Amino acid sequence: NAGVMQNPRHLVRRRGQEARLRCSPMKGHSHVYWYRQLPEEGLKFMVYLQKENIIDESGMPKERFSAEFPKEGPSILRIQQVVRGDSAAYFCASSLGTSHTYEQYFGPGTRLTVT
Amino acid sequence: GQQVMQIPQYQHVQEGEDFTTYCNSSTTLSNIQWYKQRPGGHPVFLIQLVKSGEVKKQKRLTFQFGEAKKNSSLHITATQTTDVGTYFCAGRPTGANNLFFGTGTRLTVIP
Repeated sequence: NAGVMQNPRHLVRRRGQEARLRCSPMKGHSHVYWYRQLPEEGLKFMVYLQKENIIDESGMPKERFSAEFPKEGPSILRIQQVVRGDSAAYFCASSLGTSHTYEQYFGPGTRLTVT
Repeated sequence: GQQVMQIPQYQHVQEGEDFTTYCNSSTTLSNIQWYKQRPGGHPVFLIQLVKSGEVKKQKRLTFQFGEAKKNSSLHITATQTTDVGTYFCAGRPTGANNLFFGTGTRLTVIP
């Protein structure tokens, strides 16, 4: 049973370009969470999605960032017009149910570098 | 806003010594989870605590949830080099949809 998959593992973008990060949850999981981790820091919640719905996006910047989890295919975190401050590791996690009941399984992360 | 703080931020111990990290929330939590992240890796779930005053053990690891459900601790007995990593607590405030991760405690074990 494959774990949470994320791609790409490393992504380099120039300032002003777009970054698209993909996350395929574990089989059978319909809840997806995105987190950002700056070097030497903790995990900052960004957004929580279920299939085709955004449940909580309170941690996501209102501009330039968007997330989706379509009926078919992976969840996508999209960052438009990237800036140097967007450089971080972005982790996706999935769970069988809501986070208060089930543990979250994390993917390997996408390390985004903005030059 | 909701905050989950952990102390200490860093801890260096000699192999064989004990280690404890503490997690404190500004609000009451429905449950708390603990994760471990190895250097360069991703967080891996360790355990979940739900009941007030709950204590759970996993081999050399002991997890506690405070009576008021606002704090938690992780204690490792006789650390080994394989314990190296950052330990995060993650709590869900009552009524909230998502987990709030603590700031993490980075453990270094000196052989």
